[in-house]
Amino acid sequence: DAGVIQSPRHEVTEMGQEVTLRCKPISGHNSLFWYRQTMMRGLELLIYFNNNVPIDDSGMPEDRFSAKMPNASFSTLKIQPSEPRDSAVYFCASSLSGLPYNEQFFGPGTRLTVL
Amino acid sequence: EDQVTQSPEALRLQEGESSSLNCSYTVSGLRGLFWYRQDPGKGPEFLFTLYSAGEEKEKERLKATLTKKESFLHITAPKPEDSATYLCAVQGRSQYQGAQKLVFGQGTRLTINP
Repeated sequence: DAGVIQSPRHEVTEMGQEVTLRCKPISGHNSLFWYRQTMMRGLELLIYFNNNVPIDDSGMPEDRFSAKMPNASFSTLKIQPSEPRDSAVYFCASSLSGLPYNEQFFGPGTRLTVL
Repeated sequence: EDQVTQSPEALRLQEGESSSLNCSYTVSGLRGLFWYRQDPGKGPEFLFTLYSAGEEKEKERLKATLTKKESFLHITAPKPEDSATYLCAVQGRSQYQGAQKLVFGQGTRLTINP
């Protein structure tokens, strides 16, 4: 299996621009998670989906952030407009829900820099 | 609110010098405690899941243990390739029976000198 795939791996943009991050989960997994990692705040959950339905978006920082999962093999995280404080590494993870197989497997991340 | 505190923040050891990393947690109904390893520039890599107090799991030079308040990751005779950040996370009970979120600690940055 190829694991969780994220694109792009690096993104540099200017303040005010729209940014779209993409994720392909592991085939057969039915849960998908978006995280943000910074030095100050560590790894924070933004939103997660189960069977393509958003379950908990309480970690989404504000209305500038939105996430979609149109099908079981694709999800996007969009920031519009972007701000310098959004600079971070964004990870996507997937899992197969239900004990005991609920370990989350992470992608390589997208390093976002907003100038 | 579920919380995880890891200590120390950073640990530097000589090759072969065994030690332990600590993960203290508070959670409303523990469903699982997870250990991950993260190398620079990469995503976290799953190591272990522990479900109940008294449980232990081993993988090569690593052994994870769990009590009702904390977990330890014991590293025996470490090698330089064990250098990484080790993250601990908890998953608490929820009304929702499906996938649930993990709350992560800040991690312990481990360096093994040759």
